[in-house]
Amino acid sequence: GEDVEQSLFLSVREGDSSVINCTYTDSSSTYLYWYKQEPGAGLQLLTYIFSNMDMKQDQRLTVLLNKKDKHLSLRIADTQTGDSAIYFCAETWTGGFKTIFGAGTRLFVKA
Amino acid sequence: GAVVSQHPSRVICKSGTSVKIECRSLDFQATTMFWYRQFPKQSLMLMATSNEGSKATYEQGVEKDKFLINHASLTLSTLTVTSAHPEDSSFYICSARDRGSGGALQQYFGPGTRLLVL
Repeated sequence: GEDVEQSLFLSVREGDSSVINCTYTDSSSTYLYWYKQEPGAGLQLLTYIFSNMDMKQDQRLTVLLNKKDKHLSLRIADTQTGDSAIYFCAETWTGGFKTIFGAGTRLFVKA
Repeated sequence: GAVVSQHPSRVICKSGTSVKIECRSLDFQATTMFWYRQFPKQSLMLMATSNEGSKATYEQGVEKDKFLINHASLTLSTLTVTSAHPEDSSFYICSARDRGSGGALQQYFGPGTRLLVL
């Protein structure tokens, strides 16, 4: 099946950590991505993880992958007001060519 | 890093006119480009996959005669919305895969084109 689900909204205080969650349904997914979209702009790739990995860290960003539960999360440490945006989880699976996007999680950071 | 541009960034047109949107990969060759449509507060909906030198592959429910796609070179794909109507108003985003990416399936996204049909 082709379905990527995310919670729609997250609000955190500046300096706290943000955790955005995503579930996907295709167990043969090869690449899983996190994109950031600011108002009126295109998508910016934040990070991606191969399906044979459990974790990837890149500066303030940590991606955790639980293949058993088909659960992907993005943790943003020391969240800043500039991190306020919509975050999309996406997957591309083996043998396929399309990338399927979740509905996006709107992150609101309070100063 | 890889850059994808779109032109125009914003267009307003009258109902019944046609609008062409360009998508260019500026510093890499893209054998495959994708066209998405995004409604307010919604996710991206893939419209079609554009392959250089061949016909585009359209997703189910997308009218190929309405949304004409031409991928004339390794750096340019165009989307033409023919006889646009107000319901075609949306944010159109293109993306491109780097031909030389060595198998990685990463897409680079353009900044989007906002179309408003009056």
